[in-house]
Amino acid sequence: KNEVEQSPQNLTAQEGEFITINCSYSVGISALHWLQQHPGGGIVSLFMLSSGKKKHGRLIATINIQEKHSSLHITASHPRDSAVYICAIHYGGSQGNLIFGKGTKLSVKP
Amino acid sequence: EPEVTQTPSHQVTQMGQEVILRCVPISNHLYFYWYRQILGQKVEFLVSFYNNEISEKSEIFDDQFSVERPDGSNFTLKIRSTKLEDSAMYFCASPPTGGSYNEQFFGPGTRLTVL
Repeated sequence: KNEVEQSPQNLTAQEGEFITINCSYSVGISALHWLQQHPGGGIVSLFMLSSGKKKHGRLIATINIQEKHSSLHITASHPRDSAVYICAIHYGGSQGNLIFGKGTKLSVKP
Repeated sequence: EPEVTQTPSHQVTQMGQEVILRCVPISNHLYFYWYRQILGQKVEFLVSFYNNEISEKSEIFDDQFSVERPDGSNFTLKIRSTKLEDSAMYFCASPPTGGSYNEQFFGPGTRLTVL
């Protein structure tokens, strides 16, 4: 079973395009994370959300708790944004461990 | 800026051998996690550790796995008798003090290859 579903699985964009990656989940959560995984494998935390919207530079993350849905937007995309973007949730019954989506592989072409 | 470190970065071992993966979390963090990622698959939770004991573990974390915090700084994951299917990237992570439901800082990972 997949508690966390991401779409699309793969995404190719031209430099400058506005990008949206979606995440849906099926269980009650206490928080949702967006993570970035670089080609070398390292994982970096981008956002943690429990409601509303957060912005950091060209990245915006939103969450709708009622609809169990979150989106990650990248404005003015750049080739250095190419990475795998992963949605992960803290579900209500856990001890803080994360449940991960399969990730969205983003490739931004110059 | 403080960071989580892991050693080794790559470990190659023969099936049946024991391996120990090491992590040095950010000091003052209280909760620690091990995750693994088989090549091409999603990251999966293995075990969480708080107050020097396991607080939660997944179905993957069977009797072949163990975790320790031997000296108050290092956090180790031991696989007693490795299998081919243990080949994966292993990440440790910890959130800042203040609770387990927080942003997590990930180490760079150890790539384990079992031959």
